[in-house]
Amino acid sequence: KQEVTQIPAALSVPEGENLVLNCSFTDSAIYNLQWFRQDPGKGLTSLLLIQSSQREQTSGRLNASLDKSSGRSTLYIAASQPGDSATYLCASHGSGNTGKLIFGQGTTLQVKP
Amino acid sequence: EAEVAQSPRYKITEKSQAVAFWCDPISGHATLYWYRQILGQGPELLVQFQDESVVDDSQLPKDRFSAERLKGVDSTLKIQPAELGDSAMYLCASSTGTGRGEQYFGPGTRLTVT
Repeated sequence: KQEVTQIPAALSVPEGENLVLNCSFTDSAIYNLQWFRQDPGKGLTSLLLIQSSQREQTSGRLNASLDKSSGRSTLYIAASQPGDSATYLCASHGSGNTGKLIFGQGTTLQVKP
Repeated sequence: EAEVAQSPRYKITEKSQAVAFWCDPISGHATLYWYRQILGQGPELLVQFQDESVVDDSQLPKDRFSAERLKGVDSTLKIQPAELGDSAMYLCASSTGTGRGEQYFGPGTRLTVT
């Protein structure tokens, strides 16, 4: 059974700092891994999807990496801004052929001006 | 840009009452998902549809929850009777193909049961 863990649960950094959010998963036979952003009281916005055959994906100031052998993914945010403050969730597809996503509990990021 | 639509955005109901949520996926997306997110936790899948068929409802509390997608397009999730523990965000998502593709989420419905 796939389990996804995100540590730390909360993170506070000054504006301009580069930062890394961590995601670990127990089943290395994942199909893909998806990173989401969630603002308070809102739905989820897809940031990046990494397929199992890929090592990383980039979008603007965001870079996500995937290491299946170690069961880890990281989301790198460059030059953080106050507008990056939100909860970041990672999710992987569970075993089997369904599309069920298994989510971590999220890391809540605060970027201070 | 195409989006997943959900309504209502907020719902307050008393316990033992019935409540229903509606979702309209991105046009052409065959797979539709309902997730429940308790405050401070990640979402958990309740039910997955492929067109009008249920693919996975193993985590759906079937004694009080029901879901349908009659024409393979929009979907309704119902709770009857609602309990205090049902207070949560109910999220709908859709994807192309048969699942395992990128999932796109709607704005969610925040349910409060009093």
